[in-house]
Amino acid sequence: AQSVSQHNHHVILSEAASLELGCNYSYGGTVNLFWYVQYPGQHLQLLLKYFSGDPLVKGIKGFEAEFIKSKFSFNLRKPSVQWSDTAEYFCAVMSVNRDDKIIFGKGTRLHILP
Amino acid sequence: GAGVSQSPSNKVTEKGKDVELRCDPISGHTALYWYRQSLGQGLEFLIYFQGNSAPDKSGLPSDRFSAERTGGSVSTLTIQRTQQEDSAVYLCASSGGAGGGYEQYFGPGTRLTVT
Repeated sequence: AQSVSQHNHHVILSEAASLELGCNYSYGGTVNLFWYVQYPGQHLQLLLKYFSGDPLVKGIKGFEAEFIKSKFSFNLRKPSVQWSDTAEYFCAVMSVNRDDKIIFGKGTRLHILP
Repeated sequence: GAGVSQSPSNKVTEKGKDVELRCDPISGHTALYWYRQSLGQGLEFLIYFQGNSAPDKSGLPSDRFSAERTGGSVSTLTIQRTQQEDSAVYLCASSGGAGGGYEQYFGPGTRLTVT
């Protein structure tokens, strides 16, 4: 069965630090990949997605992610974080043409120190 | 026009009682998902409906959990004989509108507390 691993459960950074959150998945076929964010007290919302094409995907608020097929990875990055990036981040994978089910990782809590 | 809605927003119930949680997806979305979110467990997949296909129930944790989707729209998640470990936020999401987009739109969730 497909699964998603997020290696960092809790990350604490100072403002202006660079961020990279790891995400690995297990599924050998074609995938669609997503990062979602949940700000305190708010709904889950889409940060960015990869379906095909350029493996470097840019999302909202300066976030980007790179799909590396050989490593089954889709790590999230931001060069300089802000206090407002404090949130929980979820990586998600959809197995295309298998069942189109979307599976989420356990999430990474990001805390930015002002 | 409205997003995904869920009701109730909060539910407190006694152990052993049955509860029903409702989800109204975005109109026209063909796919509907239920997830459970609890501390340290992230988003746990429960069940997935896609159009008229048989639902994928592989994530339901026990036979006390069931869900239905009537007329391809509204869905109800039912938990029978609730246990304290069922306490969590239950999230509903829908996707697959006219443009065939796969990204999910989430509702605000129902916070279930079993006492």
